[in-house]
Amino acid sequence: GAGVSQSPRYKVAKRGQDVALRCDPISGHVSLFWYQQALGQGPEFLTYFQNEAQLDKSGLPSDRFFAERPEGSVSTLKIQRTQQEDSAVYLCASSPRYGSNQPQHFGDGTRLSIL
Amino acid sequence: EDKVVQSPLSLVVHEGDTVTLNCSYEVTNFRSLLWYKQEKKAPTFLFMLTSSGIEKKSGRLSSILDKKELFSILNITATQTGDSAVYLCAVNGKDAQGGSEKLVFGKGTKLTVNP
Repeated sequence: GAGVSQSPRYKVAKRGQDVALRCDPISGHVSLFWYQQALGQGPEFLTYFQNEAQLDKSGLPSDRFFAERPEGSVSTLKIQRTQQEDSAVYLCASSPRYGSNQPQHFGDGTRLSIL
Repeated sequence: EDKVVQSPLSLVVHEGDTVTLNCSYEVTNFRSLLWYKQEKKAPTFLFMLTSSGIEKKSGRLSSILDKKELFSILNITATQTGDSAVYLCAVNGKDAQGGSEKLVFGKGTKLTVNP
């Protein structure tokens, strides 16, 4: 596709529910990133994939957060047993290939609200 | 730990004014510094800077990097109401294993341009 596509745009869940957020990167992009952006803050890194390999998950805040990219294209970020502090915008970004020093291009994000 | 500090956090100007946004950073094994513009949705890429002293320019926007003093500035001349947005600065540093292209962001500068 022309840009990074994320769905849903908005998600409201009750505390304790599981949620799944989807990211469809720019076609052919090898690197895929997830960031979490709280209100009034800059995005914070969660995890990074190169093709299907998850090379860095140092930013995942707890073991309730899980990400996958099984075929090296679409990625899903799953949050189990959601808490109110999980409320944020979740941004996905992609870039052409590792080591190319190309900028990351972002999707519009999923705004997650936990009630 | 990599760190980015932006100033000011908020700025209100009138159309036609010139503004300078500041970004200072601490990063291990610097690779690049990036500027993004964020309105209501996705951060959109503006500039990537890797070398000191070389100005990058796009229309009324320009940016320059000082790797000795560890800062960058983003200039916007003849501001327009459409320039109103949050401007994000981010750095990419290579870790000891040479991997991960994660970005570390500042909190952003919220620019409001009044007519």
